[in-house]
Amino acid sequence: LAKTTQPISMDSYEGQEVNITCSHNNIATNDYITWYQQFPSQGPRFIIQGYKTKVTNEVASLFIPADRKSSTLSLPRVSLSDTAVYYCLVGAAFSGGYNKLIFGAGTRLAVHP
Amino acid sequence: ETGVTQSPTHLIKTRGQQVTLRCSSQSGHNTVSWYQQALGQGPQFIFQYYREEENGRGNFPPRFSGLQFPNYSSELNVNALELDDSALYLCASSPGTGGSFTYNEQFFGPGTRLTVL
Repeated sequence: LAKTTQPISMDSYEGQEVNITCSHNNIATNDYITWYQQFPSQGPRFIIQGYKTKVTNEVASLFIPADRKSSTLSLPRVSLSDTAVYYCLVGAAFSGGYNKLIFGAGTRLAVHP
Repeated sequence: ETGVTQSPTHLIKTRGQQVTLRCSSQSGHNTVSWYQQALGQGPQFIFQYYREEENGRGNFPPRFSGLQFPNYSSELNVNALELDDSALYLCASSPGTGGSFTYNEQFFGPGTRLTVL
């Protein structure tokens, strides 16, 4: 699976928009980009997934440029409860989760009052 | 709909002992994966079971073994515990093949915190 690089940590304040960028220079043609969120003492939770351009759901937006060598997770108007570790994963798309997930170290986001 | 559950929540063992961790998959899911997460690191894939057969394994020694039962619940067994085995062990279930669902989406349980002394 493609290796990803993302910032180790980020700080923000309540109400701000947060953008976390992930680099994946070796992404393959059939790879999808997936983001997970993990709160302390909990398992990771799927946030969003995309292949190209922009994907939006009720939680976040995912921006993927045409060359797909990077992606940006955008969290609109963060709150204290968005404090978590965010993981960017890149890998082939297997339906039904029939695939191992390769996690990096993630980005530790701290939201301050 | 019941989510993924794991037991026990916490466990303390001594070096050389054996441990069994348990996981109940989300209803309707026939695929289960196990991950090890050391403090401050991302989860590392141990292995995956699909319909009671192991169908993928990460870079873990044979003393890490697993089982999946007909009801799709699962066990992770670790023999000859070492200090470095101290970690959060996560179980994740997914629907498996067939049907329409999001690629690469797995549903994680809260984990079992294992401490090896």
